[in-house]
Amino acid sequence: GQQLNQSPQSMFIQEGEDVSMNCTSSSIFNTWLWYKQDPGEGPVLLIALYKAGELTSNGRLTAQFGITRKDSFLNISASIPSDVGIYFCAGQLPQGGSEKLVFGKGTKLTVNP
Amino acid sequence: EAGVTQFPSHSVIEKGQTVTLRCDPISGHDNLYWYRRVMGKEIKFLLHFVKESKQDESGMPNNRFLAERTGGTYSTLKVQPAELEDSGVYFCASSPRRGYGTDTQYFGPGTRLTVL
Repeated sequence: GQQLNQSPQSMFIQEGEDVSMNCTSSSIFNTWLWYKQDPGEGPVLLIALYKAGELTSNGRLTAQFGITRKDSFLNISASIPSDVGIYFCAGQLPQGGSEKLVFGKGTKLTVNP
Repeated sequence: EAGVTQFPSHSVIEKGQTVTLRCDPISGHDNLYWYRRVMGKEIKFLLHFVKESKQDESGMPNNRFLAERTGGTYSTLKVQPAELEDSGVYFCASSPRRGYGTDTQYFGPGTRLTVL
């Protein structure tokens, strides 16, 4: 089945540093999504990408949809303590009416004040 | 507007018992999804309802899992009998309409299931 390889698995950084994480797949996707999960909560959508090559920002977050449609990255600039959490990439390839998301394993981010 | 809600937040049961998880989607959302995250692994799709119909149940692990969405509102996911490998966090998500990759899926807080 479709799988996403997300890296790194975890990151420990100092407040103010920039962060980069990425996802790759052997399959193409029509949509790439980045979610963040805080403890005890469900994933919350951060950025959605709909076109190959698209670069989108949301505040200090920037994400890109790879040209090959098989990869995406997420950058966080000037990290702050509330950026702590688990970040998931997800791909979507609607087929036969199914709009299921395929998720990566997540990147656990720790920010030291 | 209330978000997606799930009940219970935690459930601890013994192997062989039955558990029923409930999801209330955002009001008016036709699409409802169930996902599961087993410890340390990725969040995996289980099934997708459009209103009361099962659109895609390709992710359901086996016939011990039964999902329903009578009346097209809330949904239940029953595990009977539960096995140890069923432990994990079960997420429900909903989205507003039948589209193709354009409708955001809003996730609930999840139900943490522990099977002993």
